[in-house]
Amino acid sequence: EDQVTQSPEALRLQEGESSSLNCSYTVSGLRGLFWYRQDPGKGPEFLFTLYSAGEEKEKERLKATLTKKESFLHITAPKPEDSATYLCAVLAGGGADGLTFGKGTHLIIQP
Amino acid sequence: EAGVAQSPRYKIIEKRQSVAFWCNPISGHATLYWYQQILGQGPKLLIQFQNNGVVDDSQLPKDRFSAERLKGVDSTLKIQPAKLEDSAVYLCASSYTRDREAFFGQGTRLTVV
Repeated sequence: EDQVTQSPEALRLQEGESSSLNCSYTVSGLRGLFWYRQDPGKGPEFLFTLYSAGEEKEKERLKATLTKKESFLHITAPKPEDSATYLCAVLAGGGADGLTFGKGTHLIIQP
Repeated sequence: EAGVAQSPRYKIIEKRQSVAFWCNPISGHATLYWYQQILGQGPKLLIQFQNNGVVDDSQLPKDRFSAERLKGVDSTLKIQPAKLEDSAVYLCASSYTRDREAFFGQGTRLTVV
């Protein structure tokens, strides 16, 4: 069974304090790893797709990296508007289609 | 580009009643998904369509949930009869193909009392 574990569950940072969120996964053949941002009362907003180990993607203050067992979402000099729940999801090669999500990391950036 | 549209945004029903949700995906997206998100959890796939055919419905409680996608565009998800544990946000998403990123709608928050 495909599994996605995100850590920490919650993280509180000061504005400008850089950190990383972790997503570890166990899948039968990874077809893609996805990062989403979810604000309260809204649907997940797509951020990145990573397809193979060693791949990196960047967008503003966010950078996503991928290894064979985990992915990291690095947040550099965050601002209060980066506060949200960050979800990691995998698309596996075997079995059912569709994304398998982790529970998310609830990130709060304090001014 | 217009996003995924869902309605209603909120619904409150009594247990054993029925409810239906509607989704209009992004134009040209062949793949459509329905997810259930319980508070504090990540979304869980209920059903996936490729055009108007079902690809995966292994996690859909078929004794009470049903879904259809007519003409490969709009989709409806129905619950009949609803249980208290069905209280959740129901998210519709679509993607260009099965291997590409999915884009989500705002969701429908269902409360069963």
